[in-house]
Amino acid sequence: DAGVIQSPRHEVTEMGQEVTLRCKPISGHNSLFWYRQTMMRGLELLIYFNNNVPIDDSGMPEDRFSAKMPNASFSTLKIQPSEPRDSAVYFCASSQGGAMSYEQYFGPGTRLTVT
Amino acid sequence: AQSVTQLGSHVSVSEGALVLLRCNYSSSVPPYLFWYVQYPNQGLQLLLKYTTGATLVKGINGFEAEFKKSETSFHLTKPSAHMSDAAEYFCAVSSGGGADGLTFGKGTHLIIQP
Repeated sequence: DAGVIQSPRHEVTEMGQEVTLRCKPISGHNSLFWYRQTMMRGLELLIYFNNNVPIDDSGMPEDRFSAKMPNASFSTLKIQPSEPRDSAVYFCASSQGGAMSYEQYFGPGTRLTVT
Repeated sequence: AQSVTQLGSHVSVSEGALVLLRCNYSSSVPPYLFWYVQYPNQGLQLLLKYTTGATLVKGINGFEAEFKKSETSFHLTKPSAHMSDAAEYFCAVSSGGGADGLTFGKGTHLIIQP
C-alpha cells in the first residue's frame, strides 16, 4: 500500500491567498484526521471524519479553515484567507476506525509557509 | 478532557545506555495510549500502543512501555540506545481508539551521544 498521500509537500503563499491541502487516505480506512504541528503549540487535532462525516471540528482555529471529505478516498483542508500565523506542518492521518482499530497512519505532511 | 505531559523537551543519552522518556496523562475515561516517533521532515510512525490487557507493551525497534494506572503514566524505555534512535518522540492519548482523535504531548527530542 502507498500509505497516506498528501499534496503538495510544500506550499509557499502570500497572506490573503487561498490554500488547499489534499489527502488520500489508505484504501479501506474509514476514519480520517487532520493535525497541525507548530513549534509553539505542538501537534493539534483540527478535525476528524468517520465514514466521510465530520465528527469533531472543535480544533479548527477559525472560520477561515474548512475541511471536506466528499468520498472515502479524498479529503481537503482549505484556508481562506491565509495568514502568516497559519504557517505550520499539516498532517493527514487515517485509520480503520471502530473501537477495535487503534493505529493512525500518518502522511508525510504539507509544510505551509504564509508570507 | 484529556491531556498529556511529557517531562523533558530534550533527553540526551550515550549510545548503549538506557533510554527513558516520561509520559503522564489525564483522562476521564479508560485511555488508549500511544508512543509515536518522528524523524526529521517525516510523518509520525507508531512505536507501540496500550489498549487493554497486559500493561507492559512491546513495540518496534526494541522499545517498550508500561501502563501504570495508579501513577497515570506510560513511560517509554529501551535498554540500549542506538544512534538511529535519535528523533522526536510523542506520547498520545485517545478515548476512542482508532475512531477518535489523538491528544499529543509536546514531544521529547532524543539525542544520542556517541
